[in-house]
Amino acid sequence: GNSVTQMEGPVTLSEEAFLTINCTYTATGYPSLFWYVQYPGEGLQLLLKATKADDKGSNKGFEATYRKETTSFHLEKGSVQVSDSAVYFCALNGNGGFKTIFGAGTRLFVKA
Amino acid sequence: NAGVTQTPKFQVLKTGQSMTLQCAQDMNHNSMYWYRQDPGMGLRLIYYSASEGTTDKGEVPNGYNVSRLNKREFSLRLESAAPSQTSVYFCASSELTGFGANVLTFGAGSRLTVL
Repeated sequence: GNSVTQMEGPVTLSEEAFLTINCTYTATGYPSLFWYVQYPGEGLQLLLKATKADDKGSNKGFEATYRKETTSFHLEKGSVQVSDSAVYFCALNGNGGFKTIFGAGTRLFVKA
Repeated sequence: NAGVTQTPKFQVLKTGQSMTLQCAQDMNHNSMYWYRQDPGMGLRLIYYSASEGTTDKGEVPNGYNVSRLNKREFSLRLESAAPSQTSVYFCASSELTGFGANVLTFGAGSRLTVL
């Protein structure tokens, strides 16, 4: 079945540091890939998405590229801010179906 | 625009008690979902409703029932709560068109503790 594996946290960075959160997936066919973010005390919200191989999703300075050859969708940001402190979830959805599969989540702490 | 609204935000139950989590969306979405979030396990799908009048099991349906009351509302019921159901529950909705990505919009969550 489909699955998502992302790096364990927590990740602690200083402000303006470079961020990478690794995500790899297992799926049949051509799934859509997502990053969702959960700020403290809130529900998840979509950060970015990509629907086909080599697509790059981007939003709020975050980027991720759909790499089918390595089955990966790593999240990157060039310069993190304290306000980026949150839990980040990698997710996939097969062929626009109803069942979105989530990774375990990676907590990011950014220090001033 | 409220989006997805869940009630209650917090609830403490004793083992064996029953309760219903309520969810409503105002985005005219066809599909609605209930997930549970547990530490180190991400989110797991309990039940979903593809459209008004239909419901289907997700990954972890045991111990739960759902009702799609109308297009806006989707409730989750615990008939006899167990400590293993202590979790944070999220309702979500989406407009699944069959093309492109199925993007979920989440509520703020309901934290349930079963003693």
